[in-house]
Amino acid sequence: EVQLVESGGGLVQPGRSLRLSCAASGFTFDDYAMHWVRQAPGKGLEWVSGISWNSGSIGYADSVKGRFTISRDNAKNSLYLQMNSLRAEDTALYYCAKDTYDILTGNFDYWGQGTLVTVSS
Amino acid sequence: QSALTQPASVSGSPGQSITISCTGTSSDVGGYNYVSWYQQHPGKAPKLMIYEVSNRPSGVPDRFSGSKSGNTASLTISGLQAEDEADYYCSSYTSSSTRVVFGGGTKLTVL
Repeated sequence: EVQLVESGGGLVQPGRSLRLSCAASGFTFDDYAMHWVRQAPGKGLEWVSGISWNSGSIGYADSVKGRFTISRDNAKNSLYLQMNSLRAEDTALYYCAKDTYDILTGNFDYWGQGTLVTVSS
Repeated sequence: QSALTQPASVSGSPGQSITISCTGTSSDVGGYNYVSWYQQHPGKAPKLMIYEVSNRPSGVPDRFSGSKSGNTASLTISGLQAEDEADYYCSSYTSSSTRVVFGGGTKLTVL
């Protein structure tokens, strides 16, 4: 059974940093691209960032480019999102999602339950 | 403003069919077959319903179907059931540096 478990969310002040993690199990992690997708309270889904199977291809939404860094550790079956210079508008539930291919396609066949990030003073 | 345009809401009666549109550009929906549809019930994670325009993952009822014409993709749900009431989102690969874009979401109400 595929499982994606996010962690690392919490309350953080504007301008500070936070690192999210996603622990994957139930599939061959290094065969697939992985993504972070967020959802602000009461709002729609927003793709944040994605990383190919070997970290050779990475993409970011314009809203986070230069502030967020995605990475993965295939030996640990883990995905990460380093979030710097956080803003109030980054407040959201952050989902880890698995792609159906090893490259970035945007087909997300499995999702975690999300970790909540709240940016507030 | 979302990159892909969806109607904010649609509704239908049990047993009827509805269609949700998702309009993009030749750089995303029109240029690639990596168009997906997701169902999200309140408080739950999204669930993949259609991928690569018209493919259904195992376990998704065949009442759900997808198609594409030009820059517009569509999700059709036939034989509406009460449990289909949810938010639906489309997504597409894009040739821009952004790589993936979502629609703004459509709230389906089963009357």
